[in-house]
Amino acid sequence: KAGVTQTPRYLIKTRGQQVTLSCSPISGHRSVSWYQQTPGQGLQFLFEYFSETQRNKGNFPGRFSGRQFSNSRSEMNVSTLELGDSALYLCASSPDTGGVYNEQFFGPGTRLTVL
Amino acid sequence: QKEVEQDPGPLSVPEGAIVSLNCTYSNSAFQYFMWYRQYSRKGPELLMYTYSSGNKEDGRFTAQVDKSSKYISLFIRDSQPSDSATYLCAVYSSASKIIFGSGTRLSIRP
Repeated sequence: KAGVTQTPRYLIKTRGQQVTLSCSPISGHRSVSWYQQTPGQGLQFLFEYFSETQRNKGNFPGRFSGRQFSNSRSEMNVSTLELGDSALYLCASSPDTGGVYNEQFFGPGTRLTVL
Repeated sequence: QKEVEQDPGPLSVPEGAIVSLNCTYSNSAFQYFMWYRQYSRKGPELLMYTYSSGNKEDGRFTAQVDKSSKYISLFIRDSQPSDSATYLCAVYSSASKIIFGSGTRLSIRP
């Protein structure tokens, strides 16, 4: 089974621009979560989508948004980029079989650099 | 105060040594406790998870949870250079979902 894929792997943008990142989950996984990883803050939860609906949201400003399509693929968008948005953005998918805890499988991430 | 505290390291030990990685957490509502390993330029991968206090062993890896002290540990026996990575602890509850520690960078010297 193919793993979680993320595109692009690397991205360079300038302040004020907007960016869209893409994630394809493992086949059959319906839950997709997004994380931001930085050296200072570590791995922080952005949001989770399940069946095209945002199910959970972390403490990030409204400039960060996402969506999920009917095939479970997900995109996240960051508008009006700031220097502090430079980070590794990770996507994780989960089978979400209904239990309390479902293992998450991470993609390799998209390295975003904002100049 | 962060909900999960983890010593960032870096930690460097010789090959064959026993490695101890630790985290503390603040909320007794957390139900699941996980350890992830992240190699450079890769996403985290789940090493082990446990639900209750006590030890859980998987090969050279042992995860230990002490809920009374809110303390979780990962022990690596007979460490290998291939174990060099960043190790992230994580805690989970149905209310707060998953919260990660900041990660400990581990280097095993041949």
